[in-house]
Amino acid sequence: LAKTTQPISMDSYEGQEVNITCSHNNIATNDYITWYQQFPSQGPRFIIQGYKTKVTNEVASLFIPADRKSSTLSLPRVSLSDTAVYYCLVGGSGSARQLTFGSGTQLTVLP
Amino acid sequence: DSGVTQTPKHLITATGQRVTLRCSPRSGDLSVYWYQQSLDQGLQFLIQYYNGEERAKGNILERFSAQQFPDLHSELNLSSLELGDSALYFCASSVGVQGPYEQYFGPGTRLTVT
Repeated sequence: LAKTTQPISMDSYEGQEVNITCSHNNIATNDYITWYQQFPSQGPRFIIQGYKTKVTNEVASLFIPADRKSSTLSLPRVSLSDTAVYYCLVGGSGSARQLTFGSGTQLTVLP
Repeated sequence: DSGVTQTPKHLITATGQRVTLRCSPRSGDLSVYWYQQSLDQGLQFLIQYYNGEERAKGNILERFSAQQFPDLHSELNLSSLELGDSALYFCASSVGVQGPYEQYFGPGTRLTVT
């Protein structure tokens, strides 16, 4: 079971790039890393997913080193509306793998 | 709107009671997942169903059970409720079971046990 560790909270200013790191030391060979965003009282929303190296989409980038024991979500030029909790999820690669969400990182974007 | 629906939105009940939460996945999705989110435990995976069959189990209590029906909707049954069961319960769906399919989450059911 892949346990994940994230910073509890982070502050940033509008327009800055934000990097949130997730540690997952016992990630399994077939596990993928997925990041979700959650606003208060809403269900999490998919941001990005990757297996190794770098993945980029229209909202974020995901950096995964060769040993895959950590991953970094990068949000370019954040705005106030990016204030939310960000979760790192490891697993989902097989029919019987448990899906482990990290503790989440509360990102607060300041004006 | 994720396309996943959950009913009811809010539920208030007493200790010892039994409740049923309902989830309809996105059109075309065969997998349904249930999660519990409480203030002190964070987001906890409970159970996953794929096309009617249980496929993965997380930290689900024996007092809780779930099933997925032929029309792919799912129900989570919570019995002998305790105060500590008060939480937000989310349902999510994805297209498949193998591989890292993106999960689409519903708006959740807020359960309050008094």
